[in-house]
Amino acid sequence: RKEVEQDPGPFNVPEGATVAFNCTYSNSASQSFFWYRQDCRKEPKLLMSVYSSGNEDGRFTAQLNRASQYISLLIRDSKLSDSATYLCVVHLKAAGNKLTFGGGTRVLVKP
Amino acid sequence: DVKVTQSSRYLVKRTGEKVFLECVQDMDHENMFWYRQDPGLGLRLIYFSYDVKMKEKGDIPEGYSVSREKKERFSLILESASTNQTSMYLCASISGGGPSYEQYFGPGTRLTVT
Repeated sequence: RKEVEQDPGPFNVPEGATVAFNCTYSNSASQSFFWYRQDCRKEPKLLMSVYSSGNEDGRFTAQLNRASQYISLLIRDSKLSDSATYLCVVHLKAAGNKLTFGGGTRVLVKP
Repeated sequence: DVKVTQSSRYLVKRTGEKVFLECVQDMDHENMFWYRQDPGLGLRLIYFSYDVKMKEKGDIPEGYSVSREKKERFSLILESASTNQTSMYLCASISGGGPSYEQYFGPGTRLTVT
C-alpha cells in the first residue's frame, strides 16, 4: 500500500462549480499535512497547510480526518486557472524533514 | 523572492554516461532534496541533505549519488546513466525546523537517457 494515495482523476469541472477530492495516508503517526499545486510542466508550489480543525483560504477549504486517515480539498466557484494537479503531502516528524507526496489529482476546469 | 535554480531544463545523455545535475538555492536553507517525478508514480525522494557534507538516502537511491560541499549547492550524480533513469528531476530546499515545512522547488530538469 502506498503511504499517500490520491485519485489521479482527471476531475472535469464546469467553471463555477465546486469540486472536492480526498487523499488517504497510511501512517497514523503522520503529523502535518499540506496541499501543493503543480501546473503543467512546472514545479510544485505550496497551496495550503491543513490544520486539525480544518481551514479555509479564499475559495479553497482543506480538512483533516485523523480517525479515517484522510485529508480533503474543496474548491468552490472553480476558475479556469484552477486547472492543475493537486498533490497531497504528509510529514512525519520522526522522518525528519522528509515529506511524502501523493501521486496527485488532476483537475480540469472547463468553460 | 526565494529561488531554487537547476543547471539545465532539458538534458539528453547516452546510456553509460556520467551525469551531473546541479541545484542552487539562495535562501540559506539547511535541508535540500532531490526527487524524480514519473507519471503515475508521483514524486519519489532520491536523496536529501540536512547540512554540508551530510547526506541521507531517500526511497530510491540506487543508481544515484549526491554531493553537498557548500550549503547552497546540492548535486545529483548518475554514475552510469540508464534508460530507466529518464525522468523529471526536481530539487527542493527547506529551512530546518520551519513550522510550515514549505519546500521550495526548482523548475526541474527533464533528463532523457538514450
